[in-house]
Amino acid sequence: EPEVTQTPSHQVTQMGQEVILRCVPISNHLYFYWYRQILGQKVEFLVSFYNNEISEKSEIFDDQFSVERPDGSNFTLKIRSTKLEDSAMYFCASSDRSAATNEKLFFGSGTQLSVL
Amino acid sequence: KQEVTQIPAALSVPEGENLVLNCSFTDSAIYNLQWFRQDPGKGLTSLLLIQSSQREQTSGRLNASLDKSSGRSTLYIAASQPGDSATYLCAVPSNTGKLIFGQGTTLQVKP
Repeated sequence: EPEVTQTPSHQVTQMGQEVILRCVPISNHLYFYWYRQILGQKVEFLVSFYNNEISEKSEIFDDQFSVERPDGSNFTLKIRSTKLEDSAMYFCASSDRSAATNEKLFFGSGTQLSVL
Repeated sequence: KQEVTQIPAALSVPEGENLVLNCSFTDSAIYNLQWFRQDPGKGLTSLLLIQSSQREQTSGRLNASLDKSSGRSTLYIAASQPGDSATYLCAVPSNTGKLIFGQGTTLQVKP
């Protein structure tokens, strides 16, 4: 079965450093998402991306965050200057249609980001 | 603003028992509701998606029900097994497509 793949599975960085989290969505999918889960808290939406632009972003997704689809397969999340509170599991997700339709969302296995 | 709540936060049952996980949402104008499974340190696996026009959806030993008017969904797991131990999350999409998650129920099935 096709799956969303994320790399790396773990990333440790120093506060203030830039990190890039990488995702390869399912090949025929058109809608891409980043979510995150801080330890012990709910999974929360960060950003959605469709047709090469951001569709929606949450309050968390400030100027330190950016997303890019540099080629036809990768979807990246960049955090420019990491803070301690950015430590979380980051999930990439994709779907064939908007999740507002009756289409399942497929998640990757996540990147655990630890900011020291 | 849509809010999703899951009760209980944790549940421990002996193997073989049937169990019910609960999910409630505040805004009944939903397109669908999705149940996910999350294993420790892992991603989210979609278990069932139940459309707003449906009342039930089944997959193997799992059965999800939806009552939009009361803002509730249940996930029924029949004949539980130790391999069912995981955190179960429910989520509903907003009209813009982002998923709003509950905090999850962590299930432990003891052999």
